[in-house]
Amino acid sequence: GAVVSQHPSWVICKSGTSVKIECRSLDFQATTMFWYRQFPKQSLMLMATSNEGSKATYEQGVEKDKFLINHASLTLSTLTVTSAHPEDSSFYICSADRVGSYEQYFGPGTRLTVT
Amino acid sequence: AQTVTQSQPEMSVQEAETVTLSCTYDTSENNYYLFWYKQPPSRQMILVIRQEAYKQQNATENRFSVNFQKAAKSFSLKISDSQLGDTAMYFCAFMKQGPGGSEKLVFGKGTKLTVNP
Repeated sequence: GAVVSQHPSWVICKSGTSVKIECRSLDFQATTMFWYRQFPKQSLMLMATSNEGSKATYEQGVEKDKFLINHASLTLSTLTVTSAHPEDSSFYICSADRVGSYEQYFGPGTRLTVT
Repeated sequence: AQTVTQSQPEMSVQEAETVTLSCTYDTSENNYYLFWYKQPPSRQMILVIRQEAYKQQNATENRFSVNFQKAAKSFSLKISDSQLGDTAMYFCAFMKQGPGGSEKLVFGKGTKLTVNP
C-alpha cells in the first residue's frame, strides 16, 4: 500500500510552452502533497506544500505564478510549469501523506527537459 | 529554521562490511521526527528508517539501525552486512511535529554510498 504515481515520468518541451505534471496517491487519501525539485547530484528542495481545496504554500524564492499547483482532490495534485525555459529543466518529485499519518510517500519523479 | 548536515559527501564500503553515515541537525523544536531515505539510481525515494524524537530507543529495521543522540542532535545510520543493492544516495531528513498530518521535510545534502564487491 501507499503508492504514489507521477505522470509523465519524462517530458521534453520547447521553451515558452507549459507542461503539467500529475501526482496521484493510488491507494490512500492524502491530506497534504508536497512538490520538490532536485538538480543532478543535489538534494531535494521543497517548492511548495498543497492541501486539498486550498491554495498552495510556496517556499521562499519559488515563483508561484510560474509553478502553478492545483490540489483538486484528496488523491490528485498537479504542478504546471508555465512558460518553461531551459533553466526549469530538472527532476520534479512529489510526495503525499496519508490522512492521520506523519509519514510521506514519494512518487517516482518526473524528468523535465526544456529545449 | 531547521537545518540538517551530512558531512560525508561520499563513502564506500566492502560488501558484507558495516558502514556508518553521519547526520546532525539543528532545531529548537522538542517534538519531531527524523528519517533516513535512500535514493538509488532510479531516483525513487525509499524510506529506510524513521525515529520519533520522544522515543529513547534507537530504531532498527533489519540491517539498518540508527544511533539517535537527542542532546547532541545527532542521528547516524549504521548499515550492517552491506549489500551491492545498498549502493545509493542516502538523505537524512527532519520533520517537526505538526498539529495534524505531516509537515515539510528538511533534507541534508546527502551521502553517496558505494558498496564494492
